[in-house]
Amino acid sequence: QSVLTQPPSVSAAPGQKVTISCSGSSSNIGNNYVSWYQHLPGTAPKLLIYDNNKRPSGIPDRFSGSKSVTSATLGITGLQTGDEADYYCGTWDSSQNAGVFGGGTKLTVL
Amino acid sequence: QVQLQQSGPGLVKPSQTLSLTCAISGDSVFSTSAAWNWIRQSPSRGLEWLGRTYYRSKWYNEYTVSVKSRITMNPHTSKNQFSLQLNSVTPEDTAMYYCARGYVDRGLDVWGQGTTVTVSS
Repeated sequence: QSVLTQPPSVSAAPGQKVTISCSGSSSNIGNNYVSWYQHLPGTAPKLLIYDNNKRPSGIPDRFSGSKSVTSATLGITGLQTGDEADYYCGTWDSSQNAGVFGGGTKLTVL
Repeated sequence: QVQLQQSGPGLVKPSQTLSLTCAISGDSVFSTSAAWNWIRQSPSRGLEWLGRTYYRSKWYNEYTVSVKSRITMNPHTSKNQFSLQLNSVTPEDTAMYYCARGYVDRGLDVWGQGTTVTVSS
């Protein structure tokens, strides 16, 4: 059971928008920065969002992040078939003194 | 640009020790802002953070509770590397293992290529 809760799967059509939620608590999301990662099979996870809502260089602005109290959300607009992947949220948990991830959400672009 | 290159065996026998090394180029294991992490991924558990080692005037290690009694991470300063040792492995430890550079506010921004580790006799 993951410390952070994500929906197991989401789906949408090409060109549409999708959001992926990540729910935590005051010991993790509530008091720490949230990151989001894209994981394609056979490759290393890729940082999409850091510091709740910032994009690393090279990540298109179709990807966005937000945080409210103890939850975070990843948004993806203009969906492409290449966006099909597993998406994970991650943060620090101050009570466990450990990094934590969500269980992952599989995005299907229909 | 920063790169992490992993090395180590892909097959470990049950009850033995899993050992992996991550070589850093373009940054230093002595960085006073970064931390050097190990993460694993399996279909059943998704991404699981295992621990980190970092330098802030002295060396610190932090480990996840589920493996705390079996895990050791060490910096290898002369080679600009860091390592993972996981003792008494079982088939449950079969996973893809990654090293990664991390920051408090910038997430895990650089990852190694991954090492598939299978625990089997």
